[in-house]
Amino acid sequence: QSALTQPPSASGSPGQSVTISCTGTSSDVGGYSYVSWYQQQPGKAPKLMIYEVRKRPSGVPDRFSGSRSGNTASLTVSGLQAEDEADYYCSSHAGGNNLHVVFGGGTKLTVL
Amino acid sequence: EVQLVQSGADVKKPGESLKISCKGSGYRFNSHWIGWVRQVPGKGLEWMGIIYPGDSDTRYGPSFEGQVTISADKSKSTAYLQLNSLKASDTGIYYCAKLGSAGYYLDPWGQGTLVTVSS
Repeated sequence: QSALTQPPSASGSPGQSVTISCTGTSSDVGGYSYVSWYQQQPGKAPKLMIYEVRKRPSGVPDRFSGSRSGNTASLTVSGLQAEDEADYYCSSHAGGNNLHVVFGGGTKLTVL
Repeated sequence: EVQLVQSGADVKKPGESLKISCKGSGYRFNSHWIGWVRQVPGKGLEWMGIIYPGDSDTRYGPSFEGQVTISADKSKSTAYLQLNSLKASDTGIYYCAKLGSAGYYLDPWGQGTLVTVSS
């Protein structure tokens, strides 16, 4: 299984919206509704932000939203705030019957 | 509150072994898969494998099959990751995380265990 493809960096000014893409194949991102997104602040463990493509866990602001088109999933952060600056990783079910997960390479989001 | 607490940071020499623990609380530990993820310094996340503590069903990620051993002691609500014949390239942060009820997403994560391999 190959890693999912994310842009290495993204940026936006406070209040703006930013979208981070995550491209896989029809065997992972495009084949299952099991895409999730994680936020990792420096020195911290990753935190689940979106699961099953577009669902938000309790406590995650509704400024964070997920979507998917074909083999590409996206995370949109609206109304950017300084505390949104972090690394973001996507992941997907890797296909097959083995419960494996594949991650993207991560995107560093900078709030200008 | 669902929580996973991992063992502390460790420094090992090349060739040594290490067993990292991950203790779950606040939920039925035996009924949810636990996954392990590695993060090399300054790099991304790598999927290592998962275990179902209820019956110790274990699945290894392709890059880690034969390289690590995942186990669990349900009486202690604890999962383990054993790293053998450590190399400098094994240096990194190792996270455990609970798989979601429907699977394929990780929440919550343990705080991470930093493993440094150096002579």
